[in-house]
Amino acid sequence: DVKVTQSSRYLVKRTGEKVFLECVQDMDHENMFWYRQDPGLGLRLIYFSYDVKMKEKGDIPEGYSVSREKKERFSLILESASTNQTSMYLCASSSSGASTDTQYFGPGTRLTVL
Amino acid sequence: GNSVTQMEGPVTLSEEAFLTINCTYTATGYPSLFWYVQYPGEGLQLLLKATKADDKGSNKGFEATYRKETTSFHLEKGSVQVSDSAVYFCALKNGAAGNNRKLIWGLGTSLAVNP
Repeated sequence: DVKVTQSSRYLVKRTGEKVFLECVQDMDHENMFWYRQDPGLGLRLIYFSYDVKMKEKGDIPEGYSVSREKKERFSLILESASTNQTSMYLCASSSSGASTDTQYFGPGTRLTVL
Repeated sequence: GNSVTQMEGPVTLSEEAFLTINCTYTATGYPSLFWYVQYPGEGLQLLLKATKADDKGSNKGFEATYRKETTSFHLEKGSVQVSDSAVYFCALKNGAAGNNRKLIWGLGTSLAVNP
């Protein structure tokens, strides 16, 4: 069974803290993605990566950075958390290749910034 | 550019009712089209997909047909169950290289099915 895991289901942090969200996939996928999901706004892509040490900005990269040191792991970093980053964060992965490729999602991390 | 528009929710139905969730898209060429579902408290999972015009994707009683002439990919189910209560997302992917690795998403449609 394919699997994408995220380090925490729920996280509470304070304004100004540095926050790390970890995502691991066991499918040897080349592509990995970080989204945030907010009511009424759907899924918005923050960053994605198509190879180790490679990253591309998504639609809303401001206030975030990412790290991909190993193929299976993709980390999202909030350098200085703010209350407007309170959200559900979803990680996904997909293989590189045809446009028919499915994205596989983790269960999500609900982050609250106080 | 590429975009996806799906009907706004929430949609509330009684058990065994017929479901349609509309999805239309804008894209050049021949994108692949997807429906994903998110059950309460979970991440998204693929429900069905279609990769070329007139293809029909189906899974768990749900169906959607890729209509290039109307640029649509409407989701249908003949008889919904309480367990179908979820958020449904329509998405497209238009290629596999560079920026086309990412999916273009609709905003999602929430479905609540009452017993």
